[in-house]
Amino acid sequence: DTGVSQDPRHKITKRGQNVTFRCDPISEHNRLYWYRQTLGQGPEFLTYFQNEAQLEKSRLLSDRFSAERPKGSFSTLEIQRTEQGDSAMYLCASSPPWGSNTEAFFGQGTRLTVV
Amino acid sequence: QKEVEQNSGPLSVPEGAIASLNCTYSDRGSQSFFWYRQYSGKSPELIMSIYSNGDKEDGRFTAQLNKASQYVSLLIRDSQPSDSATYLCAVNIKLLTGGGNKLTFGTGTQLKVEL
Repeated sequence: DTGVSQDPRHKITKRGQNVTFRCDPISEHNRLYWYRQTLGQGPEFLTYFQNEAQLEKSRLLSDRFSAERPKGSFSTLEIQRTEQGDSAMYLCASSPPWGSNTEAFFGQGTRLTVV
Repeated sequence: QKEVEQNSGPLSVPEGAIASLNCTYSDRGSQSFFWYRQYSGKSPELIMSIYSNGDKEDGRFTAQLNKASQYVSLLIRDSQPSDSATYLCAVNIKLLTGGGNKLTFGTGTQLKVEL
């Protein structure tokens, strides 16, 4: 399977715990995005990487959220001191380096439930 | 004004009919537009992209773009029960830094194709 891969698919955690999600983009894609989606809403942009550089962060991304892409390949999204409001589907997408009107392809998502 | 607006539906059409889904956007500088299909509990799947004014056809799907009216639509011909899903309109918006883009989504329109 050469699509975007996310792990884990589901995560249940207690409030206050830290969680980390992983995303493996399509291999030739240098652009990587994290989105969050809650029920009844479209995906909301969180952050963008071009290669290993994090070039844009949404104001939605509080200080408890951190994302990395250390070697320009896979990326991790960590949420510290989780809150019930963090419960959502976290989506990763990637797109290729050529052109500016490029299509983005999503992984299966990680569904987080904070109890 | 929201950046991307869609009627949340549900839009109900009988099997075999044409389903028409609409979307308006606020950023006049946007250059590329996408339709994603999302089944309940799954991640968004890209089904159409359109960059120029006019129509673009792919099988049973036709995307229509009118930049002057800031309007994008998706027509689904010969609707099937398997088309029942939420359809997300996405607009590519240039990021402030790094030359990248992000997708901004509408809230989605729920389509129900009835037997």
